[in-house]
Amino acid sequence: GAGVSQSPSNKVTEKGKDVELRCDPISGHTALYWYRQSLGQGLEFLIYFQGNSAPDKSGLPSDRFSAERTGGSVSTLTIQRTQQEDSAVYLCASTRNWGLNTEAFFGQGTRLTVV
Amino acid sequence: GNSVTQMEGPVTLSEEAFLTINCTYTATGYPSLFWYVQYPGEGLQLLLKATKADDKGSNKGFEATYRKETTSFHLEKGSVQVSDSAVYFCALSVLNSGYSTLTFGKGTMLLVSP
Repeated sequence: GAGVSQSPSNKVTEKGKDVELRCDPISGHTALYWYRQSLGQGLEFLIYFQGNSAPDKSGLPSDRFSAERTGGSVSTLTIQRTQQEDSAVYLCASTRNWGLNTEAFFGQGTRLTVV
Repeated sequence: GNSVTQMEGPVTLSEEAFLTINCTYTATGYPSLFWYVQYPGEGLQLLLKATKADDKGSNKGFEATYRKETTSFHLEKGSVQVSDSAVYFCALSVLNSGYSTLTFGKGTMLLVSP
């Protein structure tokens, strides 16, 4: 596609429910990143994919968070048993490769609200 | 570890004023440095970058110089416009075990009034 696409754009869920967030990166981009943006907290790194593998999962806040990527393309971030502190904007970015100076292209994000 | 520290906002300026947003960093290794901008209702986008010491990145009238001796990458613009109102993020990228990830600062909101 023309840019990084994320869905849904907004999600309101009840505490304790599971949610899935989707990211469709730019075609041909091999690297994919998930970040979380909370008010006043900047961008918090969650996980990185190179192809379908995730060499760095260090940013996942708890074992309720998981992510996968299939076919070197679409990625889903799953949050199980959501808590109110999970409310944030979840951003996905892709880059052409894993290179040091490669520009990252961001999606518009999914705003998650846990009530 | 890697970290980026930015001045807290919001920064409030009148149109045509001079802008400086401070950014300092710590990194394991030799980082590349970036400024990203997030306009209201839009996704983050790259504003400028610098890949080695003393490099100056520039775009849309914004500039930032990679200062290794002070580990800084301050963003400047000589004359801001209302349309520059946005959140600005300083970031670094360092190779780690064969791959690189972007580490961001907390962002600085800029509000420019006519």
